[in-house]
Parts: sequence; C-alpha cells; structure tokens
Amino acid sequence: DGGITQSPKYLFRKEGQNVTLSCEQNLNHDAMYWYRQDPGQGLRLIYYSQIVNDFQKGDIAEGYSVSREKKESFPLTVTSAQKNPTAFYLCASSTWTGGRTEAFFGQGTRLTVV
Amino acid sequence: AQSVTQLGSHVSVSEGALVLLRCNYSSSVPPYLFWYVQYPNQGLQLLLKYTTGATLVKGINGFEAEFKKSETSFHLTKPSAHMSDAAEYFCALNSGYALNFGKGTSLLVTP
Repeated sequence: DGGITQSPKYLFRKEGQNVTLSCEQNLNHDAMYWYRQDPGQGLRLIYYSQIVNDFQKGDIAEGYSVSREKKESFPLTVTSAQKNPTAFYLCASSTWTGGRTEAFFGQGTRLTVV
Repeated sequence: AQSVTQLGSHVSVSEGALVLLRCNYSSSVPPYLFWYVQYPNQGLQLLLKYTTGATLVKGINGFEAEFKKSETSFHLTKPSAHMSDAAEYFCALNSGYALNFGKGTSLLVTP
C-alpha cells in the first residue's frame, strides 16, 4: 500500500543528545514536510523540501536539521540546540503545487526528553 | 501572509446533534482550503478540500463545508454527530509552499 512511514513511533532522548526521526514515502511525491505539533498550537512547519537535494526552513527551524538525498526519504534530526524538543512530529508529502493540493501524513513520532 | 483561525478550541455536542466547526481565513491569493481530522496519537486524515468551482464541498464520513468568500469562512458541518466523530479537527490553507494550519478544535460527542 502507498503511504508514509514514520519511525519510531515513540522516541526518548536524553538531554544533550541528537536524535533522528525517519520518514519514508512511496507515493512518488516530490514535496515533503516536517511539522511539529504541541497541544493547543496546531501544526507548525519545521522544514520542507520541493525536490531532492534541496530543502527550505519553515517557521520553526532552529535546533533542527534535515537532508533529502533520496526522493523517498526526508529524515529530521533534532539537535541538542533545540531547547524544548518534547512534541509530536508529523511528516507529510504532496505533489508540488505550492500548497494547492492536500498533504498526506504519516502516523507521527512522539519524542520525549528524559 | 496566509492564515486560518479556528473559533473555539473545544466544541461539545450530543450524539445526533448538528456539528459546526468554524474556520475563518486570511489570504492575499485565491485560497485553497482543507479540513483534516486527527484521532489520538495518529496522523492527519483529509476530510475534504476546496480548490475552485463548487463552494459546497462534500467529504468523507458525512462532513461538508461551504466556502464563503464574502465572509472569508470555510466552516465544517455534519448534520448528525456520531460518537466516532470525537477527534481533533484542523482547518488549513495554502501558503504558497506548504499548508498553514489552524490551532485545531477538539470535538467531544456526548451520549
């Protein structure tokens, strides 16, 4: 079945550690996105990528990094510079139309700092 | 900048009652509007979308929404609520490179 796979579903990070969240899609979409979700704040855009080997900062990119070496994959690294990383992270993909088409979402990764 | 505002962070309805979730938008370009639903600890699922054409849009699970340009609104409705409709609902619109989401409305359905 076509879709977006995020792993792991739950992730625990110690203070000062970097962690990488995986996102893979087999929908043949050009565009991929990372959103952060906090209670009562909706979804906020961290990074997006329109095409392989290119990505752009979203609204809250500080403390995060991404790569886009393959069309199917868009991993997100939460660095130690992110002061409040505990959140629910959602990966999405779409055809590239400047946001005029719907995005398809993965099941999310819940990151907790311990 | 393109943005959406969802009125009411929590809405409670009785089973069988009308569901009305409000969304207003601000956009300097023709808006493309979306409603998504999220169940606990899951991703978002598209309910319906407005791009161009008919202003009354029908979606899955009996939901529909009407695009009203004069009121800059895109409210989500369902004639009769079911217990399984309890979830978080998000309104979104195009920003030119991604979707901008509202803060969400949590729908509670009581027996």
